[in-house]
Amino acid sequence: GDSVTQMEGPVTLSEEAFLTINCTYTATGYPSLFWYVQYPGEGLQLLLKATKADDKGSNKGFEATYRKETTSFHLEKGSVQVSDSAVYFCALASNQAGTALIFGKGTTLSVSS
Amino acid sequence: DAGVTQSPTHLIKTRGQQVTLRCSPKSGHDTVSWYQQALGQGPQFIFQYYEEEERQRGNFPDRFSGHQFPNYSSELNVNALLLGDSALYLCASSFGGSAYNEQFFGPGTRLTVL
Repeated sequence: GDSVTQMEGPVTLSEEAFLTINCTYTATGYPSLFWYVQYPGEGLQLLLKATKADDKGSNKGFEATYRKETTSFHLEKGSVQVSDSAVYFCALASNQAGTALIFGKGTTLSVSS
Repeated sequence: DAGVTQSPTHLIKTRGQQVTLRCSPKSGHDTVSWYQQALGQGPQFIFQYYEEEERQRGNFPDRFSGHQFPNYSSELNVNALLLGDSALYLCASSFGGSAYNEQFFGPGTRLTVL
């Protein structure tokens, strides 16, 4: 079945460092791809999404590009802040998955000042 | 707009007991999905309710059941609790039931089974 694989965490960075969190997927057809963020004690929030190949999703300085040739959707930010410390989840929606979102295991980001 | 609300926030039960978790969707949403998030894992889809019916179910046993009310709120029931049921249970609401539509998540209910 469809699946999402994320890089293992935790990722520890200093403020203003460059961030990359890798995400690859396995899916038949043309899934939509998402990044969700979970701040401590809160539910998941949609960070960005892309619905077709070569689409770039962006929000709050974060970006991710839907690469069908490499089945990837890596999350990047040029300069992280302490407030970006959270758990980041890559997810997909597909016809095979139906109404369910398929999530990766999550990557914890910790940013220090 | 209150967003998606869930109750209770935390719950402690013992093995074999039954539990009911509640979810109120975001205003204007008609679809509720439930996810289980074990510690250190991503959310796993339990089931979705739309028009008061279970529309799709993930790989969870029949001990997990649910209900959707006419006002679109929903309950998740778990019978015969096992230690492995300890997790954060997330409710997500959306409009129209498609996973391609943005799903809004509540803060979750933390269930601990002793």
